[in-house]
Amino acid sequence: DSGVTQTPKHLITATGQRVTLRCSPRSGDLSVYWYQQSLDQGLQFLIQYYNGEERAKGNILERFSAQQFPDLHSELNLSSLELGDSALYFCASSALQGLNTEAFFGQGTRLTVV
Amino acid sequence: GENVEQHPSTLSVQEGDSAVIKCTYSDSASNYFPWYKQELGKRPQLIIDIRSNVGEKKDQRIAVTLNKTAKHFSLHITETQPEDSAVYFCAASINYGQNFVFGPGTRLSVLP
Repeated sequence: DSGVTQTPKHLITATGQRVTLRCSPRSGDLSVYWYQQSLDQGLQFLIQYYNGEERAKGNILERFSAQQFPDLHSELNLSSLELGDSALYFCASSALQGLNTEAFFGQGTRLTVV
Repeated sequence: GENVEQHPSTLSVQEGDSAVIKCTYSDSASNYFPWYKQELGKRPQLIIDIRSNVGEKKDQRIAVTLNKTAKHFSLHITETQPEDSAVYFCAASINYGQNFVFGPGTRLSVLP
């Protein structure tokens, strides 16, 4: 167990709908990252937050948005869903303090758009 | 932005042999390079990492080398075992943890 919790584990929804994925980082970690992994593909960086503020942005679609709350949990919102959005969405967290830079991954949320 | 390439995409070795996976990065500001192992259906897990002020790091059967001038780094696994079979991802990061960019992955198969 990495200490990073993602909910839900599985999500099935229809095209055009909106979903919210939730991530609770490890205790004390200030940074949260979101990644998308399509079937047998690599890890595509979406966005990073650090202590509530956006730190870095990758190839995140305009239909997607994220935020990190004061308690440091993060949510990834996906709207106007398309079939191609079906993927495994990972959240990772890191302390980013001193030598503590390792990113720990959650178990992922598998999103299926039908 | 940063771009990380990784080769080979697939690698098959006999049990006991060595495996080498190579990555190149584009942003000379990158200073932290972790390697992750992802088994089928599971989360990526860190196996080793290296910072830009170090040229080589070893942990039992796993080692990573970094060439900052050429902007490439490599993962070396010796005495491979069937449980080493997985997808391995390299990554590069600036500011020791900002914006991890991953390579496309290498599927390693260790044949008994």
